[in-house]
Amino acid sequence: EVHLVESGGGLVQPGGSLRLSCAASGFDFSKHWKTWIRRVPGKGLEWVANMWPDGSEKYYVDSVRGRFTISRDNAKNSLYLQMNSLRVEDTAVYYCVTWGNNVHWGQGTLVTVSS
Amino acid sequence: DVVMTQSPLSLPVTLGQPASISCRSSQSLVSTDGNTGLDWFQQTPGQSPRRLIYTVSNRDSGVPDRFSGSGSGTDFTLEISTVEAEDIGVYYCMQRTHWPHTFGQGTKLEIK
Repeated sequence: EVHLVESGGGLVQPGGSLRLSCAASGFDFSKHWKTWIRRVPGKGLEWVANMWPDGSEKYYVDSVRGRFTISRDNAKNSLYLQMNSLRVEDTAVYYCVTWGNNVHWGQGTLVTVSS
Repeated sequence: DVVMTQSPLSLPVTLGQPASISCRSSQSLVSTDGNTGLDWFQQTPGQSPRRLIYTVSNRDSGVPDRFSGSGSGTDFTLEISTVEAEDIGVYYCMQRTHWPHTFGQGTKLEIK
């Protein structure tokens, strides 16, 4: 059975950093597109960052480019999102999502940026 | 960025009745390879989103056949033939033809 489990969320002050992790099991993680998508309170879903299956290319939405970094460790079947210079508007539930023949979502991890 | 506009944003429905959600994009979603990158997602209370429909009209595995997608170019529709209680939640369209991939604002399906 496919599982994606995020961790690393929490409360952080503006300007701070967090590293989100996503542990995958039950499928060949290395062959899937990997994405972080967030659900912003009172708004909706936003595509944050994307990684090609072979890791050759990464894409970031403008609002996080230069502050967030997506990375992976295929040996650990894990995906990461390093978030620096956090802003209040980054407050959201962050989902790890993989795309192959099927789309798999984690349960999400809440990031709250507040002073 | 491509703007995805859904309507209505709130959809009160009677169980057993049909429902329809519209999604319009600010640019054509037909890609250079001829495919149309438009998907539909459902998020029920307390759950993560799940994809229902991909490439306009293809149902994902396990999705009931009461869900159907249609459309082309910039205008797309998700239809539920007969709404059941388990369908209550928020529905999003998403385009993946252009970077960044973008979502509609979401349509909240609720019981009338």
